[in-house]
Amino acid sequence: EGQLVQSGGGLVQPGGSLRLSCAASGFAFSSDWMVWVRQAPGKGLVWVSRISDDGRRTNYADFVKGRFTISRDNARNTLYLQMNSLRGDDTAMYYCSRERGSNWNYWFDPWGQGTLVTVSS
Amino acid sequence: QSVLTQPPSTSGTPGQRVTISCSGRRSNIGRNAVSWYQQVPGTAPKVFIYNNYYRPSGVPDRFSGSKSGTSASLVISGLQAADEADYYCATWDDDLDGLVFGGGTKLTVL
Repeated sequence: EGQLVQSGGGLVQPGGSLRLSCAASGFAFSSDWMVWVRQAPGKGLVWVSRISDDGRRTNYADFVKGRFTISRDNARNTLYLQMNSLRGDDTAMYYCSRERGSNWNYWFDPWGQGTLVTVSS
Repeated sequence: QSVLTQPPSTSGTPGQRVTISCSGRRSNIGRNAVSWYQQVPGTAPKVFIYNNYYRPSGVPDRFSGSKSGTSASLVISGLQAADEADYYCATWDDDLDGLVFGGGTKLTVL
């Protein structure tokens, strides 16, 4: 079913930038849409963004539009999330996952282990 | 405030049957399939139900899902201590043009 290994989190000041990475193995990465989901401390799961298999189509949650950019490198089997203009309420565990299904009937499997992003001065 | 509404918590004793509900709208559950995720605190979520009622391999058949109209349910039969976790429903929302999750339900096994 595959594996996703995340990296790139950490502490950043408000207004700063960070790039998250998600390395895929064990499945045909270039054939699948991928997503980012986040979870603020003690809170629930929130969808952030998704990207098509070829990287040409993207969707974003309203609260990250214009600040975050999702991308992928199919040659490296890696998904990215570039986060700019970070705010305190972006503090969360960020998860990447593989999008399964089609025609708006989706599920997500597997999930990365998560990477913590803390925005604080 | 989550787009999909779940009870914040529920509980049961070993062997009991518990149901977790997930309420939405026509633009989300009414039109698209629901998936359910189990998250043990400190770990990543794991899919337990997809396309409303299908179980991935490895998920016990004690777990079942259903959908009717704009609501969905996750039923756990023969409750075990290992089932104690947070459970989330999710689906696509056509009006928001994005994925939406429920607020999560904390299941406690007494």
